[in-house]
Amino acid sequence: DTGVSQDPRHKITKRGQNVTFRCDPISEHNRLYWYRQTLGQGPEFLTYFQNEAQLEKSRLLSDRFSAERPKGSFSTLEIQRTEQGDSAMYLCASSFPGGRGEQFFGPGTRLTVL
Amino acid sequence: EDKVVQSPLSLVVHEGDTVTLNCSYEVTNFRSLLWYKQEKKAPTFLFMLTSSGIEKKSGRLSSILDKKELFSILNITATQTGDSAVYLCATIYSGAGSYQLTFGKGTKLSVIP
Repeated sequence: DTGVSQDPRHKITKRGQNVTFRCDPISEHNRLYWYRQTLGQGPEFLTYFQNEAQLEKSRLLSDRFSAERPKGSFSTLEIQRTEQGDSAMYLCASSFPGGRGEQFFGPGTRLTVL
Repeated sequence: EDKVVQSPLSLVVHEGDTVTLNCSYEVTNFRSLLWYKQEKKAPTFLFMLTSSGIEKKSGRLSSILDKKELFSILNITATQTGDSAVYLCATIYSGAGSYQLTFGKGTKLSVIP
């Protein structure tokens, strides 16, 4: 399967714990995006990487959130001191270099904070 | 603030019906509009529209963009139960090298036999 993959698919954690999610984009894609989706809403942009550089962060991304893409391939999203409001589906997407903008999404990680 | 509004929010039709989903937008530095289909998983790319008046078509699905009136429609003809999903509209703007998508809330389509 050469699509975007994410791990884990589901995560249940207690409030106050730290969690880390991983995204592996399509191999030729140099752009990688993280989105968050809650029930009944469309995905909301969190952050964007071009290669290993994090070029944009949404104001939704509080200090408890950090994302990395150390070698310009896979990316991790860490949430520290989780809160119940962090419960959501976290989606990763990637796109072609110099592309027109189509983004291809992974299956997402569903986070539940108890 | 950029805004994407979809209507209706939900729709129930019978198999074989034709449906039209609407998406209006207010976006600075507009570049393109995209349609995605989301079943109980990640959004699947359907169309990207950049130019006004040019219809994109794929099987029973088609879409068109009106950049003057700032809206797009997605048509599905001869609907099937497999078309049941949430259809998301998103705009992409080009600013400072970013290509982030701004999504609407989606239209939940239910097709009943």
